Amino acid sequence: DARVTQTPRDKVTEMGQEVTMRCQPILGHNTVFWYRQTMMQGLELLAYFRNRAPLDDSGMPKDRFSAEMPDATLATLKIQPSEPRDSAVYFCASGLGTGAMETQYFGPGTRLLVL
Amino acid sequence: ELKVEQNPLFLSMQEGKNYTIYCNYSTTSDRLYWYRQDPGKSLESLFVLLSNGAVKQEGRLMASLDTKARLSTLHITAAVHDLSATYFCAVDMVGNQFYFGTGTSLTVIP
Repeated sequence: DARVTQTPRDKVTEMGQEVTMRCQPILGHNTVFWYRQTMMQGLELLAYFRNRAPLDDSGMPKDRFSAEMPDATLATLKIQPSEPRDSAVYFCASGLGTGAMETQYFGPGTRLLVL
Repeated sequence: ELKVEQNPLFLSMQEGKNYTIYCNYSTTSDRLYWYRQDPGKSLESLFVLLSNGAVKQEGRLMASLDTKARLSTLHITAAVHDLSATYFCAVDMVGNQFYFGTGTSLTVIP
Protein backbone atom coordinates (compact mmCIF):
# COMPACT_ATOMS: atom_id res chain seq x y z
CA ASP A 1 0.00 0.00 0.00
CA ALA A 2 1.94 3.02 -1.29
CA ARG A 3 1.79 6.08 0.92
CA VAL A 4 3.38 9.47 1.29
CA THR A 5 5.41 9.62 4.47
CA GLN A 6 6.37 12.71 6.43
CA THR A 7 8.73 13.27 9.32
CA PRO A 8 8.55 14.42 11.99
CA ARG A 9 4.87 14.03 12.77
CA ASP A 10 5.02 16.61 15.53
CA LYS A 11 7.52 19.34 16.23
CA VAL A 12 7.66 21.86 19.04
CA THR A 13 10.39 24.46 18.82
CA GLU A 14 11.28 27.90 20.02
CA MET A 15 11.11 31.02 17.96
CA GLY A 16 14.28 31.55 15.98
CA GLN A 17 15.16 27.89 15.64
CA GLU A 18 15.54 26.09 12.34
CA VAL A 19 12.88 23.54 11.40
CA THR A 20 13.29 20.92 8.69
CA MET A 21 10.39 18.80 7.52
CA ARG A 22 10.85 15.80 5.25
CA CYS A 23 8.62 14.04 2.81
CA GLN A 24 8.97 10.81 0.90
CA PRO A 25 6.61 10.82 -2.08
CA ILE A 26 5.01 7.70 -3.48
CA LEU A 27 7.49 5.86 -5.68
CA GLY A 28 6.99 6.81 -9.31
CA HIS A 29 5.18 10.06 -8.63
CA ASN A 30 6.82 13.01 -10.36
CA THR A 31 5.02 15.91 -8.69
CA VAL A 32 5.37 16.94 -5.05
CA PHE A 33 3.41 19.65 -3.27
CA TRP A 34 3.85 21.36 0.08
CA TYR A 35 0.78 22.81 1.80
CA ARG A 36 0.19 24.59 5.06
CA GLN A 37 -3.12 24.31 6.87
CA THR A 38 -4.33 26.68 9.56
CA MET A 39 -7.75 27.45 10.92
CA MET A 40 -7.58 31.02 9.68
CA GLN A 41 -6.13 30.53 6.20
CA GLY A 42 -7.25 27.03 5.35
CA LEU A 43 -5.08 25.07 2.93
CA GLU A 44 -2.37 27.13 1.27
CA LEU A 45 -0.05 25.90 -1.43
CA LEU A 46 3.53 26.77 -0.50
CA ALA A 47 5.51 25.17 -3.29
CA TYR A 48 5.52 22.36 -5.77
CA PHE A 49 7.99 20.39 -7.83
CA ARG A 50 7.76 18.52 -11.09
CA ASN A 51 10.50 16.00 -11.81
CA ARG A 52 12.45 17.53 -8.89
CA ALA A 53 12.43 21.01 -10.43
CA PRO A 54 10.63 23.78 -8.52
CA LEU A 55 7.69 25.03 -10.57
CA ASP A 56 6.10 27.46 -8.20
CA ASP A 57 7.07 28.65 -4.75
CA SER A 58 5.17 31.93 -4.77
CA GLY A 59 3.19 30.86 -1.70
CA MET A 60 6.28 30.71 0.49
CA PRO A 61 7.75 33.56 2.50
CA LYS A 62 11.05 33.64 0.65
CA ASP A 63 13.08 35.18 3.43
CA ARG A 64 12.60 32.25 5.78
CA PHE A 65 11.23 29.28 3.89
CA SER A 66 13.03 27.06 1.43
CA ALA A 67 11.98 23.89 -0.34
CA GLU A 68 14.18 21.38 -2.12
CA MET A 69 14.15 17.94 -3.67
CA PRO A 70 17.64 16.52 -3.31
CA ASP A 71 16.48 13.35 -5.05
CA ALA A 72 13.28 11.78 -6.33
CA THR A 73 12.57 10.09 -3.01
CA LEU A 74 12.98 13.07 -0.72
CA ALA A 75 11.49 16.55 -0.49
CA THR A 76 12.37 18.97 2.28
CA LEU A 77 10.79 22.14 3.62
CA LYS A 78 12.95 24.29 5.84
CA ILE A 79 12.05 27.28 7.98
CA GLN A 80 14.88 29.44 9.28
CA PRO A 81 14.32 31.27 11.54
CA SER A 82 10.94 30.00 12.69
CA GLU A 83 8.29 32.33 14.09
CA PRO A 84 5.12 31.66 16.12
CA ARG A 85 2.98 32.51 13.08
CA ASP A 86 4.50 29.50 11.31
CA SER A 87 2.61 27.21 13.68
CA ALA A 88 0.42 25.04 11.44
CA VAL A 89 0.07 21.58 9.98
CA TYR A 90 2.31 21.11 6.96
CA PHE A 91 1.21 18.54 4.42
CA CYS A 92 3.19 17.02 1.64
CA ALA A 93 1.33 15.47 -1.29
CA SER A 94 2.50 13.67 -4.39
CA GLY A 95 0.96 12.81 -7.71
CA LEU A 96 1.66 11.76 -11.24
CA GLY A 97 1.47 14.83 -13.40
CA THR A 98 1.25 14.09 -17.07
CA GLY A 99 -1.33 16.57 -18.24
CA ALA A 100 -4.48 16.07 -16.20
CA MET A 101 -3.38 14.86 -12.81
CA GLU A 102 -5.45 12.03 -11.46
CA THR A 103 -5.24 13.19 -7.88
CA GLN A 104 -2.87 14.11 -5.13
CA TYR A 105 -2.04 11.71 -2.33
CA PHE A 106 -1.48 13.45 0.98
CA GLY A 107 0.93 12.51 3.71
CA PRO A 108 -0.09 12.47 7.37
CA GLY A 109 1.25 15.97 7.98
CA THR A 110 3.76 17.57 10.34
CA ARG A 111 2.17 19.46 13.18
CA LEU A 112 4.47 22.40 13.99
CA LEU A 113 4.24 24.56 17.08
CA VAL A 114 6.62 27.48 17.40
CA LEU A 115 6.71 28.97 20.89
CA GLU B 1 -7.49 36.24 -8.68
CA LEU B 2 -8.75 32.67 -8.59
CA LYS B 3 -11.41 31.98 -6.00
CA VAL B 4 -12.82 28.62 -5.00
CA GLU B 5 -15.85 29.00 -2.80
CA GLN B 6 -17.79 26.33 -1.04
CA ASN B 7 -21.16 26.56 0.59
CA PRO B 8 -22.30 25.97 3.10
CA LEU B 9 -19.24 26.28 5.34
CA PHE B 10 -20.98 24.37 8.09
CA LEU B 11 -23.68 21.78 7.67
CA SER B 12 -25.54 19.91 10.36
CA MET B 13 -27.93 17.30 9.09
CA GLN B 14 -29.93 14.43 10.45
CA GLU B 15 -29.21 10.85 9.56
CA GLY B 16 -31.23 9.69 6.61
CA LYS B 17 -31.54 13.12 5.02
CA ASN B 18 -30.19 14.30 1.69
CA TYR B 19 -28.14 17.42 1.07
CA THR B 20 -25.84 19.05 -1.47
CA ILE B 21 -22.56 20.89 -1.02
CA TYR B 22 -21.65 23.41 -3.69
CA CYS B 23 -18.26 24.40 -5.04
CA ASN B 24 -17.96 27.47 -7.27
CA TYR B 25 -14.76 28.60 -8.92
CA SER B 26 -13.93 31.80 -10.68
CA THR B 27 -11.87 30.82 -13.70
CA THR B 28 -11.82 28.25 -16.45
CA SER B 29 -10.88 24.74 -15.46
CA ASP B 30 -12.16 21.33 -16.44
CA ARG B 31 -10.55 19.42 -13.61
CA LEU B 32 -11.99 19.33 -10.15
CA TYR B 33 -11.32 17.12 -7.16
CA TRP B 34 -13.13 16.36 -3.92
CA TYR B 35 -11.35 15.42 -0.69
CA ARG B 36 -12.43 14.40 2.76
CA GLN B 37 -10.61 15.29 5.98
CA ASP B 38 -11.44 13.76 9.34
CA PRO B 39 -10.55 15.82 12.44
CA GLY B 40 -6.82 15.73 13.09
CA LYS B 41 -6.19 13.63 10.01
CA SER B 42 -4.87 14.08 6.52
CA LEU B 43 -6.85 14.54 3.31
CA GLU B 44 -8.28 11.58 1.47
CA SER B 45 -9.17 11.69 -2.20
CA LEU B 46 -12.86 11.06 -2.94
CA PHE B 47 -13.53 11.98 -6.55
CA VAL B 48 -11.71 13.15 -9.63
CA LEU B 49 -13.83 14.96 -12.24
CA LEU B 50 -11.96 15.57 -15.47
CA SER B 51 -14.55 16.83 -17.95
CA ASN B 52 -17.75 18.78 -18.29
CA GLY B 53 -20.74 16.70 -17.26
CA ALA B 54 -18.64 14.19 -15.34
CA VAL B 55 -20.52 12.37 -12.61
CA LYS B 56 -18.96 10.00 -10.11
CA GLN B 57 -20.64 8.04 -7.33
CA GLU B 58 -19.29 6.15 -4.37
CA GLY B 59 -21.70 4.86 -1.77
CA ARG B 60 -23.87 7.70 -0.48
CA LEU B 61 -21.80 10.40 -2.19
CA MET B 62 -22.17 11.62 -5.74
CA ALA B 63 -20.12 14.39 -7.35
CA SER B 64 -20.77 16.24 -10.58
CA LEU B 65 -19.07 18.94 -12.61
CA ASP B 66 -20.51 21.68 -14.81
CA THR B 67 -17.56 23.51 -16.31
CA LYS B 68 -19.76 26.05 -18.11
CA ALA B 69 -21.30 27.14 -14.83
CA ARG B 70 -17.95 26.65 -13.04
CA LEU B 71 -19.80 24.61 -10.46
CA SER B 72 -19.35 21.25 -8.84
CA THR B 73 -21.74 19.59 -6.44
CA LEU B 74 -21.28 16.89 -3.85
CA HIS B 75 -24.60 15.25 -3.10
CA ILE B 76 -25.15 13.24 0.06
CA THR B 77 -27.91 10.66 0.06
CA ALA B 78 -29.40 9.27 3.26
CA ALA B 79 -26.61 10.60 5.45
CA VAL B 80 -25.03 8.42 8.12
CA HIS B 81 -22.83 9.42 11.06
CA ASP B 82 -19.68 8.07 9.39
CA LEU B 83 -19.93 10.81 6.78
CA SER B 84 -19.20 13.48 9.39
CA ALA B 85 -16.00 15.21 8.22
CA THR B 86 -14.78 18.29 6.38
CA TYR B 87 -15.11 18.14 2.61
CA PHE B 88 -12.87 20.16 0.31
CA CYS B 89 -13.11 20.76 -3.39
CA ALA B 90 -9.98 21.70 -5.33
CA VAL B 91 -9.57 23.14 -8.81
CA ASP B 92 -6.60 22.18 -10.94
CA MET B 93 -5.23 25.16 -12.81
CA VAL B 94 -2.50 25.49 -15.38
CA GLY B 95 0.53 23.43 -14.49
CA ASN B 96 -1.33 21.23 -12.02
CA GLN B 97 -1.48 23.92 -9.37
CA PHE B 98 -4.33 23.08 -7.04
CA TYR B 99 -6.52 25.69 -5.40
CA PHE B 100 -8.59 24.43 -2.50
CA GLY B 101 -11.97 25.64 -1.39
CA THR B 102 -12.69 26.77 2.14
CA GLY B 103 -14.08 23.41 3.15
CA THR B 104 -17.52 22.35 4.35
CA SER B 105 -17.70 20.93 7.85
CA LEU B 106 -20.41 18.29 7.89
CA THR B 107 -21.94 16.90 11.07
CA VAL B 108 -24.47 14.12 10.80
CA ILE B 109 -26.73 13.91 13.83
CA PRO B 110 -28.32 10.60 14.83
